[in-house]
Amino acid sequence: DTGVSQNPRHKITKRGQNVTFRCDPISEHNRLYWYRQTLGQGPEFLTYFQNEAQLEKSRLLSDRFSAERPKGSFSTLEIQRTEQGDSAMYLCASSLWGLNTGELFFGEGSRLTVL
Amino acid sequence: EDQVTQSPEALRLQEGESSSLNCSYTVSGLRGLFWYRQDPGKGPEFLFTLYSAGEEKEKERLKATLTKKESFLHITAPKPEDSATYLCAVRIIQGAQKLVFGQGTRLTINP
Repeated sequence: DTGVSQNPRHKITKRGQNVTFRCDPISEHNRLYWYRQTLGQGPEFLTYFQNEAQLEKSRLLSDRFSAERPKGSFSTLEIQRTEQGDSAMYLCASSLWGLNTGELFFGEGSRLTVL
Repeated sequence: EDQVTQSPEALRLQEGESSSLNCSYTVSGLRGLFWYRQDPGKGPEFLFTLYSAGEEKEKERLKATLTKKESFLHITAPKPEDSATYLCAVRIIQGAQKLVFGQGTRLTINP
C-alpha cells in the first residue's frame, strides 16, 4: 500500500499521560498536514510542514501539542499531559502540490480516547 | 468570522433519487472551495476543487458548482456505494495551506 500511513490506529490513555502519533506520507510528497476531527464535525487544521519546515500552526496547537518532521519524511504529533477534550481522530495528509490543486491525500487517522 | 455551513446535516435517498447538497460560506476572501468524501473510519478523499463563481466540475454521478456565496454538490441517480459523508472546505488566504471544513452532510442511499 503506497498511501499515507498512520500509527497507532487507536490509542486509549489516561488523563495526564503523553501520547505520540506517527505519520508516514506518500514518498514523493513534500507537504504534510495534521488535522483533528471530532465526532460529527469536519476536520480542523492543526499544522503544516513543507519538507522539514513547520510553516503554519493553528491556535488549536496549544503548548501541550508539538509536531515534528525531522528529515522531511515521516512526522510525529505529540500531546503532553492529555486531557479528555483531546479525544478525537488525528488525521495526517500529504500532498505534492498542496492547495494549489486542493488534492490532499489523507491517512485513515489515529483515534485517541482519553479516560 | 470565516464560516462554512453545510446542509442538510443528514440526507436519506432511495437509489436513483437525485438531490443536491449545499455548502454556504461566509469568508473574507475565497481562494478555493474543495469537496471531499469521507467513509466511516476513513480519512477524507478528494473530489473537486472550484475557484471561481460559475465554475462546474463533474465526476461520474457527482457535479459540483460554485456561486459567490455557496456551492452545490449534485448527485444524479445515486447508488448505495455513494453513501458517505460529504465535506466541503474553503481556502481563505492566498498562499496559506489551511483548509476550513464544514461539518459535513451524511448521505445514505437505500437500495
